[in-house]
Amino acid sequence: DIVMTQSPDSLAVSLGERATINCKSSQSVLYSSNNKNYLAWYQQKPGQPPKLLIYWASTRDSGVPDRFSGSGSGTDFTLTVSGLQAEDVAVYYCQQYYNTPHTFGQGTKLEIK
Amino acid sequence: EVQLVESGGGLVQAGGALRLSCAASGFTFGNYWMIWVRQAPGKGLEWVANIKQDGSERYYVDSVRGRFTISRDNAKNSLYLQMNSLRAEDTAVYYCTRGGYSVWGQGTLVTVSS
Repeated sequence: DIVMTQSPDSLAVSLGERATINCKSSQSVLYSSNNKNYLAWYQQKPGQPPKLLIYWASTRDSGVPDRFSGSGSGTDFTLTVSGLQAEDVAVYYCQQYYNTPHTFGQGTKLEIK
Repeated sequence: EVQLVESGGGLVQAGGALRLSCAASGFTFGNYWMIWVRQAPGKGLEWVANIKQDGSERYYVDSVRGRFTISRDNAKNSLYLQMNSLRAEDTAVYYCTRGGYSVWGQGTLVTVSS
């Protein structure tokens, strides 16, 4: 199974500042035939299901604010939240869908400093 | 409105069985892979199983293979998870989600008492 490791486990950022969350996969999730990274990012707030933010490592899902951006390729990926807002407090997960099981990272808790 | 609604969760003793259901509406159910994901209390997300549009392919995480069975009924727009030989570590909220992971249900809680 592909192991997904996020860092840090928790993060406190001031309102309006930038938050950066990293995700590393134990093997590449870049599919060479279509040059796509099979990597997604989710936001989960307490008592709610996860919400898809980013897929193909850098494509925002419909309706996701453009302050959320994804980057990276191969085994190393980053989720950036630019201009942190109070409603961005949540746990963020990365997930690979290159191979089954479609494993998730352990999560990163984002808080306001 | 695109919607997934899980049901069937509850309290069960270790070694027991439970069948979860997920009712889909607002989209063409038979066009999508479907997936079960679970989340133990206070823990992260764990992918459990998925099933192809016609049911011809099914995949499981190692921890449930041989105990859980994912199935679907496209005529009823429904996804199922038959859970046998339940263990305390299966205690979790179980979510169904559509292929692409952009649509999720609210989840159903399964509690396995030891």
